[in-house]
Amino acid sequence: RKEVEQDPGPFNVPEGATVAFNCTYSNSASQSFFWYRQDCRKEPKLLMSVYSSGNEDGRFTAQLNRASQYISLLIRDSKLSDSATYLCVPQAAGNKLTFGGGTRVLVKP
Amino acid sequence: DAGVIQSPRHEVTEMGQEVTLRCKPISGHDYLFWYRQTMMRGLELLIYFNNNVPIDDSGMPEDRFSAKMPNASFSTLKIQPSEPRDSAVYFCASTSPQLIVAFFGQGTRLTVV
Repeated sequence: RKEVEQDPGPFNVPEGATVAFNCTYSNSASQSFFWYRQDCRKEPKLLMSVYSSGNEDGRFTAQLNRASQYISLLIRDSKLSDSATYLCVPQAAGNKLTFGGGTRVLVKP
Repeated sequence: DAGVIQSPRHEVTEMGQEVTLRCKPISGHDYLFWYRQTMMRGLELLIYFNNNVPIDDSGMPEDRFSAKMPNASFSTLKIQPSEPRDSAVYFCASTSPQLIVAFFGQGTRLTVV
C-alpha cells in the first residue's frame, strides 16, 4: 500500500460548483497534514494546513479524520483559477514529507 | 529572500553522461528535500537532509543517484551514468521545524536522450 493515496481525477467541475476529494495515508504516526497546490509546469505551493478540528480558509475547507486516516479538501464556489493539481502531504516523524500523487481539478465555465 | 534556487532550469544530456543538479535552500532552513516528479509516478521523495546530514535516502532509485550537502547553503544531486528513464522534473525544497511549510524551488527539467 502506498504511503499516501489520492484519486488522480480529473475532477471536472462547473464554475461555481462545489468539489471535494480525499487523501488517505498509511502512517498512523503522522503528526501534521497539509494541502499543496501545483499549477501546470510550476512548483508545489502550500495551500493550507489541516488541523484536527478542521479548518476553513475562504472557499477552502480541510478536514482530518484520524480514525480512518484520511484528510479531505472541499472547494466551494469554484473559480476557473482553482484549476490545478492538489497534493496532500502528511508530515511523519523526523519531518519527513511524502506527497500524494495529486488530484487534478479542472474548473470549466 | 530569493527563495529556493535550483540550477540549471533545463538540462538535456545524452545517455551515459553525468548530470549534476544544484540547490540553494532558503537561509536558516535546516531541512532540505530532493524530489522527482513524473506523470507516471507523481512527486517522489528521493532523499532529505537535516543540518546537512542525510536522514532518509530510501527513495533514491539506485546507485547511479547520489546526493550531498557540503554546507547549509548548497546541495547537489548527481546522476552517473544518466539513462532516458531518469527524465523528469527534479525539485528541491527546504523548511524548518518551526516553519513546517516546505518551500520549493522552480525545479530542473531533465531530459536524457
